[in-house]
Amino acid sequence: GENVEQHPSTLSVQEGDSAVIKCTYSDSASNYFPWYKQELGKRPQLIIDIRSNVGEKKDQRIAVTLNKTAKHFSLHITETQPEDSAVYFCAAKEGGSQGNLIFGKGTKLSVKP
Amino acid sequence: DTAVSQTPKYLVTQMGNDKSIKCEQNLGHDTMYWYKQDSKKFLKIMFSYNNKELIINETVPNRFSPKSPDKAHLNLHINSLELGDSAVYFCASSLFSGTATLAQYFGPGTRLLVL
Repeated sequence: GENVEQHPSTLSVQEGDSAVIKCTYSDSASNYFPWYKQELGKRPQLIIDIRSNVGEKKDQRIAVTLNKTAKHFSLHITETQPEDSAVYFCAAKEGGSQGNLIFGKGTKLSVKP
Repeated sequence: DTAVSQTPKYLVTQMGNDKSIKCEQNLGHDTMYWYKQDSKKFLKIMFSYNNKELIINETVPNRFSPKSPDKAHLNLHINSLELGDSAVYFCASSLFSGTATLAQYFGPGTRLLVL
């Protein structure tokens, strides 16, 4: 089955700096890779996703890149703000039409003002 | 107007009890899921239902049973609760096209504490 590794587990940056979170996956048939942001005590919220036929996707200060050959994908947050502080999860959908979403273990991002 | 809702938000109960958590979505999605988030914040899929049929059943104890009266609802019944069942349980929903997975949207979570 799919295995998703996420690094780093914690990340601290100064406000205005960029933050990068990296994930690797094992199932070469995986074709969908969402990123979720979870604030303390709240639900995971989808912030951006990418499909396997696309190499990069941007949404304002957030971007995701996908390298299918290397089986890794990354989340990039530019001009970080204190409200970006949260736990971020990557996920990969297992191959096959009924595959599960397999989540990474999360990255706790702290943005210091 | 919450898209995916769950009740109750908090659930405190004794070991051995039976409890249920309800989930409803008004997004018109045809697939619903239950996830467990443990104390280390690890999210793991438990069940998913597509058009009232179980399509994925992870190796969770058979004390856990999903029940879907219609495609807008997926309830989770837990029998003989154990201390290790303490966690946050999230419901989620998505559209399942069979060829392309669409985004999953999560409910607010139910925080279960077993004493």
